[in-house]
Amino acid sequence: KQEVTQIPAALSVPEGENLVLNCSFTDSAIYNLQWFRQDPGKGLTSLLLIQSSQREQTSGRLNASLDKSSGRSTLYIAASQPGDSATYLCAVRYGGQNFVFGPGTRLSVLP
Amino acid sequence: GAVVSQHPSRVICKSGTSVKIECRSLDFQATTMFWYRQFPKQSLMLMATSNEGSKATYEQGVEKDKFLINHASLTLSTLTVTSAHPEDSSFYICSADGGGWKSEQFFGPGTRLTVL
Repeated sequence: KQEVTQIPAALSVPEGENLVLNCSFTDSAIYNLQWFRQDPGKGLTSLLLIQSSQREQTSGRLNASLDKSSGRSTLYIAASQPGDSATYLCAVRYGGQNFVFGPGTRLSVLP
Repeated sequence: GAVVSQHPSRVICKSGTSVKIECRSLDFQATTMFWYRQFPKQSLMLMATSNEGSKATYEQGVEKDKFLINHASLTLSTLTVTSAHPEDSSFYICSADGGGWKSEQFFGPGTRLTVL
């Protein structure tokens, strides 16, 4: 069974800290992996997409890495801000076209 | 980036009524759209895959006669919750495939359904 897990489930940090969110997947035969942000009661905002042949992607203060062999991806957020507070979802695309989502990490950045 | 819209954003209905939710890709054509359901404090669970011009493919445990999906054009998919009950109350999100297995999925803003 293809499963995606995320650690930690929740994280609270003071503003300015660098932080790492972790995503693990059981089946390494992925097509790509995507990180999303979801604000309470809202839809998903795509942050970064990493193809299976890539090792990392960067966008602004965000950096996502992918290690297929170990079944892991990390999302690195530099110099965190209160506006970064949200739930971060990792989603893995396997054969076929849909995603398998992780349970998310709820991030709170305190001013 | 590509934009996907959903309508309505929020709906409250009485038990036993049917509710239709629309998902539109605004600036691209999507041969495949996906419908997800999200219960409070849980992640997204795929309900069905909607293919333009053909029948939807439902995930195990999802009643196809209760959740009717129609993908009549390359930019529109609809999800109809028939004879809704309070346990159907949830956040429904659609996504559209930008094309090719390397592409991103673009998500709609979601529809909050509350069945009284």
